[in-house]
Amino acid sequence: DAGVTQSPTHLIKTRGQQVTLRCSPKSGHDTVSWYQQALGQGPQFIFQYYEEEERQRGNFPDRFSGHQFPNYSSELNVNALLLGDSALYLCASSPPDSTSGELFFGEGSRLTVL
Amino acid sequence: GESVGLHLPTLSVQEGDNSIINCAYSNSASDYFIWYKQESGKGPQFIIDIRSNMDKRQGQRVTVLLNKTVKHLSLQIAATQPGDSAVYFCAENLGESGGYNKLIFGAGTRLAVHP
Repeated sequence: DAGVTQSPTHLIKTRGQQVTLRCSPKSGHDTVSWYQQALGQGPQFIFQYYEEEERQRGNFPDRFSGHQFPNYSSELNVNALLLGDSALYLCASSPPDSTSGELFFGEGSRLTVL
Repeated sequence: GESVGLHLPTLSVQEGDNSIINCAYSNSASDYFIWYKQESGKGPQFIIDIRSNMDKRQGQRVTVLLNKTVKHLSLQIAATQPGDSAVYFCAENLGESGGYNKLIFGAGTRLAVHP
């Protein structure tokens, strides 16, 4: 049973460009959350998708957007990249009706903005 | 691999000793508190959680203690092993009132286990 998979694992962009990151949740999971982890810090919640809609959002600008597909996979899009967007982007999935906070994380996509 | 927690507080222990990692949280309305382990180059991995109406929960070699009076959470690891070396994060889950598994992570503590 594959866990959460993310792609790409590493990518380099320049300021002003746009990026799309992809995530496939663990089998049987219907909810996908995205987190940003700057070097040396804990993950910060970006948003969460459930039933193809954004259910919750953290304190991130509108440049960050996402999508969830009928097969529960998800994309994170970031427009007009800034140097400060350089971070590890983590996708996490959870099963239906989960409320305890047990999330299953992928290994992340490391974004470097030059 | 990735280097997680370059400037985090570090707890150094000898193999076989018990480790205690502490965390202060901020939101009294949190419904669950969770500990995650993150090894270099990997995503966080769930260790154990505790609901806000409990003060202690035990797992395999780990115990989580919750003190709501002082908003303090701790993770105890028994007989620490080299494989326990990682960065440990506590997280708060506000639950339904906070929106279904929206986790607020702490800054993290690096655990270094020496032979």
